Amino acid sequence: QKEVEQDPGPLSVPEGAIVSLNCTYSNSAFQYFMWYRQYSRKGPELLMYTYSSGNKEDGRFTAQVDKSSKYISLFIRDSQPSDSATYLCAMSPYNTDKLIFGTGTRLQVFP
Amino acid sequence: DSGVTQTPKHLITATGQRVTLRCSPRSGDLSVYWYQQSLDQGLQFLIQYYNGEERAKGNILERFSAQQFPDLHSELNLSSLELGDSALYFCASSVAKGSQPGYVSAETQYFGPGTRLLVL
Repeated sequence: QKEVEQDPGPLSVPEGAIVSLNCTYSNSAFQYFMWYRQYSRKGPELLMYTYSSGNKEDGRFTAQVDKSSKYISLFIRDSQPSDSATYLCAMSPYNTDKLIFGTGTRLQVFP
Repeated sequence: DSGVTQTPKHLITATGQRVTLRCSPRSGDLSVYWYQQSLDQGLQFLIQYYNGEERAKGNILERFSAQQFPDLHSELNLSSLELGDSALYFCASSVAKGSQPGYVSAETQYFGPGTRLLVL
């Protein structure tokens, strides 16, 4: 079993929809949780970062962490075709830079 | 543009060969990380260097090695290449050292555009 599980999709939604992307994990030592966006043939870019449990909002993006359930989510409001990309969750235990990534969910937003 | 550069962008080689991938970190970043991304395994951490010294090791094969030079650029050497080594190889950099109590740094990795390796 992988430490981080993520549905590969693809997820196809109409423009303006609310998108929910999720990851589950098994290692209770994870403290830092990140979401990266990766466009085709590009490197991942950091979208959101949260520490421990709770919510964090940045524009149209909201990240949620539920450590009791070992479950993290990324919500995208008013989705745009430019949001079409692969979204990778990543997490890290305390006191290390080693990131463990999910396999990514491919999102397509159609006009 | 993340400020991290990687060369070459594409590399095609044959099984059994050796290749070197190069990474230049963002100005001021002391840590360099190497990752392998394949379709079936996703993004896998290989190795981290900080200011010239190996800092953390992940799922790196013995056929692979890396180093970080005094000017902070890094090279990833892949030898005795196999078909299964075909993948995207990413370099990331951060200012952080990590692995210190109270040191929060996991959020500051910036990724380069990657090198696409095809082993035939």
